[in-house]
Amino acid sequence: DTEVTQTPKHLVMGMTNKKSLKCEQHMGHRAMYWYKQKAKKPPELMFVYSYEKLSINESVPSRFSPECPNSSLLNLHLHALQPEDSALYLCASSPEGSTKNIQYFGAGTRLSVL
Amino acid sequence: TQLLEQSPQFLSIQEGENLTVYCNSSSVFSSLQWYRQEPGEGPVLLVTVVTGGEVKKLKRLTFQFGDARKDSSLHITAAQPGDTGLYLCAGAPRGFGNEKLTFGTGTRLTIIP
Repeated sequence: DTEVTQTPKHLVMGMTNKKSLKCEQHMGHRAMYWYKQKAKKPPELMFVYSYEKLSINESVPSRFSPECPNSSLLNLHLHALQPEDSALYLCASSPEGSTKNIQYFGAGTRLSVL
Repeated sequence: TQLLEQSPQFLSIQEGENLTVYCNSSSVFSSLQWYRQEPGEGPVLLVTVVTGGEVKKLKRLTFQFGDARKDSSLHITAAQPGDTGLYLCAGAPRGFGNEKLTFGTGTRLTIIP
């Protein structure tokens, strides 16, 4: 099983709303990632959690707030977003050891900010 | 900043033809992944190459890692409409702990029936 599950699949929110994206994996992976992908562009790394601790923050605005409640779950809390934040948000996870660079992606959440 | 340039950026060919996509960098990578992504979906891992000069085959797809581990290619034989999608290479920088992948600029492939 190499499944990373993201919910919701689609989300429409206003600029004053607060919402959360969820990601779950049960592969025992200890690194989890959030990416943002705009149309026709490659994914851009936002955050990395390693062993439930934030290890990389790619200078992401504070209106995006990640959270890793446990080794299987990763959340992305959204508040006061801008229309330019509309994108496909991807979650990924990767194992430890010799295959640690291999990232497995979820299907993404398509976010529209009105 | 490490960059991975893919070429061509767009490719549209007839079913049954062969094609090659290139992924080039001036940096050395410890490993390189190829992904295929369909619209509205996440990237799906196709293959990982680790050793310089390594060649891996996945049915009609052949992946090669350059001898110096700076570049890679993907060759598709007898392309089919199901091969349509965005192809992304992604490299793991040498010496890095584990987490950051550098994604290529992408190749959007369309196979015309």
